[in-house]
Amino acid sequence: AQKVTQAQTEISVVEKEDVTLDCVYETRDTTYYLFWYKQPPSGELVFLIRRNSFDEQNEISGRYSWNFQKSTSSFNFTITASQVVDSAVYFCALNFGNEKLTFGTGTRLTIIP
Amino acid sequence: NAGVTQTPKFQVLKTGQSMTLQCAQDMNHEYMSWYRQDPGMGLRLIHYSVGAGITDQGEVPNGYNVSRSTTEDFPLRLLSAAPSQTSVYFCASSYGLAITDTQYFGPGTRLTVL
Repeated sequence: AQKVTQAQTEISVVEKEDVTLDCVYETRDTTYYLFWYKQPPSGELVFLIRRNSFDEQNEISGRYSWNFQKSTSSFNFTITASQVVDSAVYFCALNFGNEKLTFGTGTRLTIIP
Repeated sequence: NAGVTQTPKFQVLKTGQSMTLQCAQDMNHEYMSWYRQDPGMGLRLIHYSVGAGITDQGEVPNGYNVSRSTTEDFPLRLLSAAPSQTSVYFCASSYGLAITDTQYFGPGTRLTVL
């Protein structure tokens, strides 16, 4: 069975600090896809990144970066120089080609001004 | 493009009532799905569709029906609402039939069943 664990339920950091959100997954498949979504206080789900299991290169997009390590089954998300607008719930999700995304339970990130 | 739209945004029902949550997309996406979001449980798949006329059950289908008569629309029907169906409902769509294509979500419908 596939499973996504986001052990950090809530994180609070002061603005401009760096913060890393952890995501650990379980799957027996060799081909799978990993996603991160952001859910701001307004409630919508915003797609951030999609990564397949054959691409272990780290990804950087502005202040956001992702570290994918198959050896530890982790797909962690780092926000550099955090801003108040980064306050949201962040979900990690896994798909191995079946009909659904398996979501983690989310990490609520609060950036303190 | 409006993307994925959902109506209504909020709804309050009494136990036993029925209603339909509407979902539409204007991106010509083949794959559409419904999820429910409950506190501490992430999102769970209710039903999905890989094209007009084709639907299938997800992880938590009981108490819900769907149909897909057009590519654009994917309504979710609650047959007899129960308090356990109080949740936030999200509709999503993606371009290809490959489920691993990125899914784009609507703004959600917050449903309360009394």
